[in-house]
Amino acid sequence: AQSVTQLGSHVSVSEGALVLLRCNYSSSVPPYLFWYVQYPNQGLQLLLKYTSAATLVKGINGFEAEFKKSETSFHLTKPSAHMSDAAEYFCAVWGGGDKIIFGKGTRLHILP
Amino acid sequence: NAGVTQTPKFQVLKTGQSMTLQCAQDMNHEYMSWYRQDPGMGLRLIHYSVGAGITDQGEVPNGYNVSRSTTEDFPLRLLSAAPSQTSVYFCASSRVGDTQYFGPGTRLTVL
Repeated sequence: AQSVTQLGSHVSVSEGALVLLRCNYSSSVPPYLFWYVQYPNQGLQLLLKYTSAATLVKGINGFEAEFKKSETSFHLTKPSAHMSDAAEYFCAVWGGGDKIIFGKGTRLHILP
Repeated sequence: NAGVTQTPKFQVLKTGQSMTLQCAQDMNHEYMSWYRQDPGMGLRLIHYSVGAGITDQGEVPNGYNVSRSTTEDFPLRLLSAAPSQTSVYFCASSRVGDTQYFGPGTRLTVL
């Protein structure tokens, strides 16, 4: 069975500080992993994806994520937060099943 | 290339009414799905389809029906609307295992 756990439904960081959003997954086969972002009153859009190539994946807006098989993790990071990063972030996995599984989401707040 | 389109954008229903939320995609994706999004609940999968003529239930299917007669269209039917179905509904499509493309959403209120 496949599943996704996002630690922390809300995360607050100061502008300019490191952003770290945590995602752990379970999968019976090598997974495809995704991070999506949702800005207020919009649909979700892809931030980045891992599909078994490089374990460090770079996405849009300066975000990146590292696939760590031993830790079953795919945490999202950005070195320096910007006010425009305030949004909700979703981790997702395709892990051998016939459907994608989304985490519950983490709302990122940026403090001035 | 319109991507994923959803209609209507907003809808108000009375309890017991039925309606259909439309979803269409022009990317020839075999996988399509419907989600509802409620505060604090993340995205919950209602129904999904891996190709024309094939549908399956997700996490919260009760009160909703779907059909997939063509690759392009995946309508969601509310059989008898209830206040608990007040939500924002998203349709998405993709190739299996690949990036999901989401529609802009339908905001539904059931009185």
